[in-house]
Amino acid sequence: GENVEQHPSTLSVQEGDSAVIKCTYSDSASNYFPWYKQELGKRPQLIIDIRSNVGEKKDQRIAVTLNKTAKHFSLHITETQPEDSAVYFCAASIGPNYGQNFVFGPGTRLSVLP
Amino acid sequence: DVKVTQSSRYLVKRTGEKVFLECVQDMDHENMFWYRQDPGLGLRLIYFSYDVKMKEKGDIPEGYSVSREKKERFSLILESASTNQTSMYLCASSFLWSSVHNEQFFGPGTRLTVL
Repeated sequence: GENVEQHPSTLSVQEGDSAVIKCTYSDSASNYFPWYKQELGKRPQLIIDIRSNVGEKKDQRIAVTLNKTAKHFSLHITETQPEDSAVYFCAASIGPNYGQNFVFGPGTRLSVLP
Repeated sequence: DVKVTQSSRYLVKRTGEKVFLECVQDMDHENMFWYRQDPGLGLRLIYFSYDVKMKEKGDIPEGYSVSREKKERFSLILESASTNQTSMYLCASSFLWSSVHNEQFFGPGTRLTVL
């Protein structure tokens, strides 16, 4: 079955710097890759996603890139702010016809230091 | 605005008790999911359901069962709670299939402690 790895497990950056979180997946049939942000004590919420027919997607300070050949995708946060501090989860859909069933990575705890 | 609610935020039970966790969504979603969240392990799928009375095992179904009698409600049942089931439990829902809306919406979570 699908396996999703995520690195690093923890990441500390200075406010204003960039942060990059990387994920790899094993099932070449996966076609949808969401990223969720979970602030302390709150529920996970979708921040950005990308489909397999797109190589890059950007939304203000966050962007996601996808390399289907290498089966990896990354989250990029520029000009980090203290409110970006959270746990970030990547996920990959299972199979080509089950876009709503995901396998999640173990998470990255991002700390933005003022 | 999508709303996914869970019956309790915190729950303390004793070993061997039967435990019910309930989840309700108001967006007419077909899919509903139960995850377990543990530090360093991410979100692991216990069970999911894509229709009333339908259920599918996820990655870690042992020790759990589920019930979906109504489209908006999905229950997770621990038949005989054990200490290794102490965890945060998250419910989620989504559309069965959409070319646009693939997002899973999560509930606030139930932190279960089994003594």
